[in-house]
Amino acid sequence: AQTIHQWPVAEIKAVGSPLSLGCTIKGKSSPNLYWYWQATGGTLQQLFYSITVGQVESVVQLNLSASRPKDDQFILSTEKLLLSHSGFYLCAWSLGWEYAEQFFGPGTRLTVL
Amino acid sequence: GDSVTQTEGQVTVSESKSLIINCTYSATSIAYPNLFWYVRYPGEGLQLLLKVITAGQKGSSRGFEATYNKETTSFHLQKASVQESDSAVYYCALSAGGNYKPTFGKGTSLVVHP
Repeated sequence: AQTIHQWPVAEIKAVGSPLSLGCTIKGKSSPNLYWYWQATGGTLQQLFYSITVGQVESVVQLNLSASRPKDDQFILSTEKLLLSHSGFYLCAWSLGWEYAEQFFGPGTRLTVL
Repeated sequence: GDSVTQTEGQVTVSESKSLIINCTYSATSIAYPNLFWYVRYPGEGLQLLLKVITAGQKGSSRGFEATYNKETTSFHLQKASVQESDSAVYYCALSAGGNYKPTFGKGTSLVVHP
């Protein structure tokens, strides 16, 4: 069975500090991977997607970057956090066709102070 | 840009009663977008409830139904008789291309009372 794991579960960080969020998918080779973000009271927004190792497409510019160093790993990061980065970050995977169902991870709650 | 507007805030329904959560959309990137309903049950991750990618068609899952109405640009979620286990947050979404660059509504929290 496929599992999706996100880390950390929650994070409290200072403005200006770096950030790295991770996502790992086990049990599925060559998945499409996605990062989503939801500000408190806001809509869910897709930030990045990746259909293969080493390739990441940016959807929304939020001064964040994403990388896919391995087939089963997706990393979201920034060198300098902003207050506006606070929110809930979700990772998701799907099979490699555009209408395949997405499966979401449990998410990471980020608070920037 | 694309946008999705759905019933805001919380909807409270008594068990066995009918439910409708409204969703209307505006799509500038494509004439006939793909439409989705997602659900997040308490303590669980977000998951796809149903999708319709052809205008005029109806999608259904777990007793829920939604019809893609291109005339009214709507995709309302309905259920004839809700159960307490349906309590969750529901999101309407559209996309021009499947899983890529979807636009979500703000979510509607459904509370079903026994």
